[in-house]
Amino acid sequence: DQQVKQNSPSLSVQEGRISILNCDYTNSMFDYFLWYKKYPAEGPTFLISISSIKDKNEDGRFTVFLNKSAKHLSLHIVPSQPGDSAVYFCAHPGSNYKLTFGKGTLLTVNP
Amino acid sequence: EAQVTQNPRYLITVTGKKLTVTCSQNMNHEYMSWYRQDPGLGLRQIYYSMNVEVTDKGDVPEGYKVSRKEKRNFPLILESPSPNQTSLYFCASSLRGRITEAFFGQGTRLTVV
Repeated sequence: DQQVKQNSPSLSVQEGRISILNCDYTNSMFDYFLWYKKYPAEGPTFLISISSIKDKNEDGRFTVFLNKSAKHLSLHIVPSQPGDSAVYFCAHPGSNYKLTFGKGTLLTVNP
Repeated sequence: EAQVTQNPRYLITVTGKKLTVTCSQNMNHEYMSWYRQDPGLGLRQIYYSMNVEVTDKGDVPEGYKVSRKEKRNFPLILESPSPNQTSLYFCASSLRGRITEAFFGQGTRLTVV
């Protein structure tokens, strides 16, 4: 049973527009989430995180929103750039420091 | 430069031939782990280690072994590789503490024929 779900395998947007990547989770006790970005032939790199004491965290063009009642989080990228084209994973750090990842969403930003 | 280094980056081997994928980090991190990435399945944890000589199974440990004799190194051992272990493998490390970000190696593409 997937604890962290990314239901959209892919997303395509135009350069300059907003990209919205979504993630749902099953356990209302989850209190911290991270987003990772992965380019082909590279390992995932940390992008941004959010704690359940907040409903929003912003870092430059990247903003993560957390809706605890809906058990949903989203990553907004504004404006999107071609260099943002990558696979994005949401993740939850559970017990024993294990990161549980969603299956990922491939973002393609078209020039 | 802070980094996690995996070797080799690419490996093709035959069924049953023992192999080791090495992982080393230079950040003095206590926590290290191995993941495999498969199409449609995302990243799944194989094994993790919370410190030297402390290791435990993740979600998909069957067919793998690990050891943690030194803080910086965390090799992944496949005693008898099988084709279903063909995958992309990532080593990761982080400071002790569940909310700290993990640093990943560049990955090892393993093909077992």
